[in-house]
Amino acid sequence: EAQVTQNPRYLITVTGKKLTVTCSQNMNHEYMSWYRQDPGLGLRQIYYSMNVEVTDKGDVPEGYKVSRKEKRNFPLILESPSPNQTSLYFCASSSLGSRGLMSSYNEQFFGPGTRLTVL
Amino acid sequence: GNSVTQMEGPVTLSEEAFLTINCTYTATGYPSLFWYVQYPGEGLQLLLKATKADDKGSNKGFEATYRKETTSFHLEKGSVQVSDSAVYFCALSDPSEDSSYKLIFGSGTRLLVRP
Repeated sequence: EAQVTQNPRYLITVTGKKLTVTCSQNMNHEYMSWYRQDPGLGLRQIYYSMNVEVTDKGDVPEGYKVSRKEKRNFPLILESPSPNQTSLYFCASSSLGSRGLMSSYNEQFFGPGTRLTVL
Repeated sequence: GNSVTQMEGPVTLSEEAFLTINCTYTATGYPSLFWYVQYPGEGLQLLLKATKADDKGSNKGFEATYRKETTSFHLEKGSVQVSDSAVYFCALSDPSEDSSYKLIFGSGTRLLVRP
């Protein structure tokens, strides 16, 4: 089954304790992205990756890191979490199409979400 | 910059009622438009999309038409069911603004359908 998986689904932690949220896709997608969802704000992009070893900042990258060492995995790292990073996080992936180009209408497939609480 | 505005929720309807969720957008280029649905406890799923003006996206009885003149992409369904209860997000993608290919989302509209 084609899917995007995230782990953990739920996490409660304390300020300053480093954590990693994993994301994996089995669709051989080149493009992967992280979003956070906050009430009244919809989803906002944190980081994205166009391919292995290629990552770039989205709209709200402060306090986050990512890596893309393998095509299927795109972990989100919070080196020193703070309470304002309490949120619902989604990973997404998409193909670049036959010409290796991202199209504005390519569907992005989302993981089930990770609810993070930082105390 | 690009943005999406959705009507505030929650929207509460009785089963078989007609649904409209309004969505308007601002974009610098020629965006593609999407409706995503989020069922309780799940991630977002693409419901329908439209890639150019006057396109109509449709799926599972839902429809939305890309109206460039009014910059709108309203979601409609003729007869809702209890199983349609979810949060609906309008979104756009406009790579002409930057190269991130990110989806820009509205704030979401919660739909509650009562039996």
